[in-house]
Parts: sequence; C-alpha cells; structure tokens
Amino acid sequence: GAVVSQHPSWVICKSGTSVKIECRSLDFQATTMFWYRQFPKQSLMLMATSNEGSKATYEQGVEKDKFLINHASLTLSTLTVTSAHPEDSSFYICSARDRFGNEQFFGPGTRLTVL
Amino acid sequence: RKEVEQDPGPFNVPEGATVAFNCTYSNSASQSFFWYRQDCRKEPKLLMSVYSSGNEDGRFTAQLNRASQYISLLIRDSKLSDSATYLCVVIPAGGYNKLIFGAGTRLAVHP
Repeated sequence: GAVVSQHPSWVICKSGTSVKIECRSLDFQATTMFWYRQFPKQSLMLMATSNEGSKATYEQGVEKDKFLINHASLTLSTLTVTSAHPEDSSFYICSARDRFGNEQFFGPGTRLTVL
Repeated sequence: RKEVEQDPGPFNVPEGATVAFNCTYSNSASQSFFWYRQDCRKEPKLLMSVYSSGNEDGRFTAQLNRASQYISLLIRDSKLSDSATYLCVVIPAGGYNKLIFGAGTRLAVHP
C-alpha cells in the first residue's frame, strides 16, 4: 500500500506554545488529506478534511483558529496546534487519499503531550 | 447515540479460539463498511471491507446486515499476533470518504 509519514512521531511542549505536525505522502499525490485525533481508549475523531490548494473543512466542534491546517502541495499537509494546552494532549493521525482511490492511507501518528 | 457502536471488550481468549466482534451503526443510508486493526500506539490499518454478501479472508470473515444495521467480524483459530484493537468503520451516505470510527474492541489472545 501507499506510504504516509508523519513528523514528529512524538512531541512534548509547554502550555501556550504552538506545535506543527507534518503529514507527507511519499509515493503518491494526495489530493485529500484528513486529520484525526484519538484520546486514550476512544475512537479516532475526524478533525478536518483538507484538499490541496483550498481551505480545510472542519468538523463541528473543532476550532479552526486553534488547529491550523495547510495543504499547500500534493504531498504535504501540516497541522499546527496553536497555544497548546494540556487538554490538547492526544494522538494526532493523518491520512491521505489520491483522486482515484477510496482507501485512506494512514500516517503513523504523532503523540502530543502538553505540560 | 453514537454513529458507530462497538463492545469495548476486552476479549481475552486462548490461542486457537474463535472470537466474534459486533458493531452497529445508526445511519441507515451508510454506504461502505470496513474493519480496521489498530495496535497499541500505532495507526489503524485496513483489515477488510465488509459486503452484504459476506466476505472471507483466511481466518477472518466479515458480514453486513443492512436491515439490522449490524456488522460482524469473526476470527477463527486465534493467534497471539491477532491481539489488537479492532475498529468498525463506516462511510455515511454522501460522506465523500469521511470515515466514522467506532471506539474499537480490544482483543487479547493468550497462550
């Protein structure tokens, strides 16, 4: 299957700082990328959908000014958690899909801990 | 009501056992159904799609009952390596490939 990478794999930061997470499709062009968040023992929750070159579509309850998403190229999307707080600590996972396929390929996830 | 509901488990079974997972979904117009597997602190990986006619892949059998809005996964001859969390996933009608995940059922296979 297609390969999707995320960087960093884990990050610890102080409350109030901003953290950027990168999601890259390594061997295909991702016209659509999805960002999910997963709290312990809970399901993956879709945060937003981003299409290359256009603004992201956020799910209900997700603050677009707090979770900034940029999908400037067909192989890279970034999620920036601005002014992170301890309640933002979670496992953030991206997935990517090309314009032909129905399957989403998931990145390995980024574990964020905000102190 | 959650869009996708699963028994959280855990299911603790010995090697060789047969184990069944169930899942229900609330949107009757949902169009696509999947089972994913997620290992601890890892990303989910597609295990199999689920069709009304039922489908089998080796030791794994998936079944969809649209009338009951119910999805099942059967694992035969459990292996230690089957230990993971199994996620029921649905694409709702008009969902444009938006995946709705259940919270998952944890399986622990012991020697």
